[in-house]
Amino acid sequence: DAGITQSPRHKVTETGTPVTLRCHQTENHRYMYWYRQDPGHGLRLIHYSYGVKDTDKGEVSDGYSVSRSKTEDFLLTLESATSSQTSVYFCAISATFGDYGYTFGSGTRLTVV
Amino acid sequence: GENVEQHPSTLSVQEGDSAVIKCTYSDSASNYFPWYKQELGKGPQLIIDIRSNVGEKKDQRIAVTLNKTAKHFSLHITETQPEDSAVYFCAASIPPDYKLSFGAGTTVTVRA
Repeated sequence: DAGITQSPRHKVTETGTPVTLRCHQTENHRYMYWYRQDPGHGLRLIHYSYGVKDTDKGEVSDGYSVSRSKTEDFLLTLESATSSQTSVYFCAISATFGDYGYTFGSGTRLTVV
Repeated sequence: GENVEQHPSTLSVQEGDSAVIKCTYSDSASNYFPWYKQELGKGPQLIIDIRSNVGEKKDQRIAVTLNKTAKHFSLHITETQPEDSAVYFCAASIPPDYKLSFGAGTTVTVRA
């Protein structure tokens, strides 16, 4: 998706290891979000950022941390990966909080074995 | 999340027929309602949105209607084509900060 890239696209990791996913944007948008997508649950918000070094928890934040040291980068870290964190992770960006649509990245498929 | 309920979870339609997906939201202060289409292996993409001061919006074969009194909104796809097969998500801005909350998604299959 133009203006937002996620890396890696796929990752397999072992239970108990730390994992970091990266989201990079070139749109200079203030707001960035991390979602996970699981069958039957749709998109659930993990963490979001409303500026450099300004982050907050979403509805499913346990076991995850985030950092935003630059406007363009938003990192999601699984501190000690568990099988329940096997999912597809999407980053999204927006210029405002909730009166314009978000732009999503292409996703990272994470498998914890 | 629980703030937005979406139905049905799956929908199969014959090519050329119409498809309708319905969502309900819980907070009457919600004021923005986007719809996303997600194709296999890709991220969701915004296809149409509506704000609370409008009752209906159309863009070619897709339309969205909003009933603020009943707190529900719907996506209508007319003259469906195979390329309409995808997962569709509704969302609503939820007070107090108006972040988007998403429905669980509807998998639409258009049969040739």
